[in-house]
Amino acid sequence: GAGVSQSPSNKVTEKGKDVELRCDPISGHTALYWYRQSLGQGLEFLIYFQGNSAPDKSGLPSDRFSAERTGGSVSTLTIQRTQQEDSAVYLCASSFSSGRNAQFFGPGTRLTVL
Amino acid sequence: KQEVTQIPAALSVPEGENLVLNCSFTDSAIYNLQWFRQDPGKGLTSLLLIQSSQREQTSGRLNASLDKSSGRSTLYIAASQPGDSATYLCAVGVIQGAQKLVFGQGTRLTINP
Repeated sequence: GAGVSQSPSNKVTEKGKDVELRCDPISGHTALYWYRQSLGQGLEFLIYFQGNSAPDKSGLPSDRFSAERTGGSVSTLTIQRTQQEDSAVYLCASSFSSGRNAQFFGPGTRLTVL
Repeated sequence: KQEVTQIPAALSVPEGENLVLNCSFTDSAIYNLQWFRQDPGKGLTSLLLIQSSQREQTSGRLNASLDKSSGRSTLYIAASQPGDSATYLCAVGVIQGAQKLVFGQGTRLTINP
């Protein structure tokens, strides 16, 4: 597609439920990033995929968070046993191979945990 | 640990004025610096990317400068328009590890007609 797409755009869930967020990067981009934007915390890095290499999970806040990337394209971020503090906008970005290239962001998924 | 600071946090100016947004970072080991615009409830739109070896980049009414040695960048907006109202975010691409972006808290800009 022309840009990074994310689904759903909004997700409301109850505390303790699991959620899955999806990201479709720009075609041809080998690098994919997940970030989280919450009030008071700003934008923070979560996880990074580069080609077929093992992902860098250094930004994941707890072991309830995981992500995978299938076939080097689509990525899914999974949050298990959601907590109210997980409420935030989850943003996905993609770029050509290395860190020297610009990152392009999707519209985000707004997650609300009741 | 890289830290990015943006000043001011909010700015309100009348239409037509030229203005400067400031960004500073603590570690000069960066790949690049990227300026983004974010409209309420929307994702981030990339405005300008400056590589670490460059001094400035221009796009239309926007000009961004980078002084890596002093850890500073500025975004200059010429002849501001009400449509420029948004939050502007500065982010540095770090070299170590995940090659992630580290963001400032943003400057909320309002252009008054």
